[in-house]
Amino acid sequence: AQSVTQLDSHVSVSEGTPVLLRCNYSSSYSPSLFWYVQHPNKGLQLLLKYTSAATLVKGINGFEAEFKKSETSFHLTKPSAHMSDAAEYFCVVSENDYKLSFGAGTTVTVRA
Amino acid sequence: NAGVTQTPKFQVLKTGQSMTLQCAQDMNHNSMYWYRQDPGMGLRLIYYSASEGTTDKGEVPNGYNVSRLNKREFSLRLESAAPSQTSVYFCATVKGSGARTEAFFGQGTRLTVV
Repeated sequence: AQSVTQLDSHVSVSEGTPVLLRCNYSSSYSPSLFWYVQHPNKGLQLLLKYTSAATLVKGINGFEAEFKKSETSFHLTKPSAHMSDAAEYFCVVSENDYKLSFGAGTTVTVRA
Repeated sequence: NAGVTQTPKFQVLKTGQSMTLQCAQDMNHNSMYWYRQDPGMGLRLIYYSASEGTTDKGEVPNGYNVSRLNKREFSLRLESAAPSQTSVYFCATVKGSGARTEAFFGQGTRLTVV
């Protein structure tokens, strides 16, 4: 069975400072892992995905995530937050092609 | 290229009323999904359809029915709406397999049951 735990329900950062969103997963197999972003009243957009190639994955808008199998983690980072990064972020795991399991989400607030 | 289109965007129902949420995709993907999003709970899978002609229950199917009308369309029906079904509903499709897997989402339907 697969599951995802996002360790922070809310993260608040100042503009220009680093952002770290933490995600741990459990999976019986080698999973695919994703980060999606949802801006207010919008649908979900793919930020990046890990699919057993490079462990450091680069995504859109300066985000990247590192897959650490030994820690079963897939944390999302960005070196310098921008006001437009204020959104909700979801970590997602998939063991097969048909079922995506979502974390509860992390809301990011960016202070001017 | 519209991608995944959901209708309606907003809906208010009275308890006991029925309605159907529509979803259409023009991406030629085989699999389609219905999720509900509730605060603090992420997205939970209601039903999915791996291909035209098949449907399966997800985590939270009670109170819902689905129809995969053709490859493009996947509808979600609430036969007798309850306040617990107040939520934001997302339709999604998935392309590819393994390393090429990626999900695409509609803009959501915000449903309130009073």
